[in-house]
Amino acid sequence: DSGVTQTPKHLITATGQRVTLRCSPRSGDLSVYWYQQSLDQGLQFLIQYYNGEERAKGNILERFSAQQFPDLHSELNLSSLELGDSALYFCASSAPIRTSGSNEQFFGPGTRLTVL
Amino acid sequence: QKEVEQDPGPLSVPEGAIVSLNCTYSNSAFQYFMWYRQYSRKGPELLMYTYSSGNKEDGRFTAQVDKSSKYISLFIRDSQPSDSATYLCAMSTYNTDKLIFGTGTRLQVFP
Repeated sequence: DSGVTQTPKHLITATGQRVTLRCSPRSGDLSVYWYQQSLDQGLQFLIQYYNGEERAKGNILERFSAQQFPDLHSELNLSSLELGDSALYFCASSAPIRTSGSNEQFFGPGTRLTVL
Repeated sequence: QKEVEQDPGPLSVPEGAIVSLNCTYSNSAFQYFMWYRQYSRKGPELLMYTYSSGNKEDGRFTAQVDKSSKYISLFIRDSQPSDSATYLCAMSTYNTDKLIFGTGTRLQVFP
């Protein structure tokens, strides 16, 4: 158990809908990352938050947004869903390199999203 | 060309064999190197973490980084059927925390 929790485990929804994925980082970690894993693209970085602020962005679609709350949990919002958004979405947490000296990231169990 | 290249396998070996998994990369700014193990439909589990060049050993696992060749390796000694999983290499630069992943190598260890 990595200490990172994600809910829900599975999500089935229809095209055009909006969903919210939730992540709680390991105790003491200030950084939260979101990654998408699909069969054809592998694990792709989406976005990073550090202590409530956006730190880095990857190839995240404009239909997707995220935020990190004062209690450090994070939510990833996916809207106007398309069939191609079906994937595993992982959250990871870490202490930033500049404070911990390392970039070890610990992953949650993931949310499997199926868009029908 | 992808920043990180990894042979997808599958790699099939008998129990007890030494397994060698490799990744090559193109970005010379990568400083932090990691190996993750992922069982089917589960979250990636951090196995090994290495900063810059050199070797690191942890039990049956050894990670090597050769920055001059832009090549990293993970060796698994005395492989077990429970090692059957997909192994992902990942790396990042000093300036950013985001990880760039290889596509993963699927390993099968048969009894």
